[in-house]
Amino acid sequence: SQKIEQNSEALNIQEGKTATLTCNYTNYSPAYLQWYRQDPGRGPVFLLLIRENEKEKRKERLKVTFDTTLKQSLFHITASQPADSATYLCALENSGGYQKVTFGTGTKLQVIP
Amino acid sequence: GAVVSQHPSWVICKSGTSVKIECRSLDFQATTMFWYRQFPKQSLMLMATSNEGSKATYEQGVEKDKFLINHASLTLSTLTVTSAHPEDSSFYICSAREISGARGEQYFGPGTRLTVT
Repeated sequence: SQKIEQNSEALNIQEGKTATLTCNYTNYSPAYLQWYRQDPGRGPVFLLLIRENEKEKRKERLKVTFDTTLKQSLFHITASQPADSATYLCALENSGGYQKVTFGTGTKLQVIP
Repeated sequence: GAVVSQHPSWVICKSGTSVKIECRSLDFQATTMFWYRQFPKQSLMLMATSNEGSKATYEQGVEKDKFLINHASLTLSTLTVTSAHPEDSSFYICSAREISGARGEQYFGPGTRLTVT
């Protein structure tokens, strides 16, 4: 069966350090992978998209890697700040799909001042 | 740019009544809108894909007669929860893709918290 797995345990990190979140998937052939941020009681906010033929993508303090062999994406936040505290979701759309995007369960990040 | 609004942001209704939730793309046109449901501490589950001018495509296990979707224009989709029951209480979120937007990127609304008593 298809799965998108993110660490369900909350990740606590000290301010200023780099936070690394993991997204593993099985039985998908994603055309691309996306990362979203979700704050409590709010809808997700798009952060980054990385395509299957891309290894790495950066945006300001964010970096995403995509390894289609390992079927894994890593999401990094450098110089983390308390304002980065939120739940981070990865999402996949299969190649050839009809635009259906499937989300992982998310990892809650807490940046401690 | 790329703002999606939802109305209402929260609603409490009695069991057996119907509730309509609106999703609007404010500054762009969206041929496709998506409706998700999210239970506490769980991920977003896609309920249906709404295409302007045509019938919605429902995910397996989602009752189309209970969750009525109407995508009346390129900027508006509505979800009506008919004969709501307490188990329908959830956080409903819509998203939209721009007509000319990059494949994949979706813009999400702020969500609607539905509580059925």
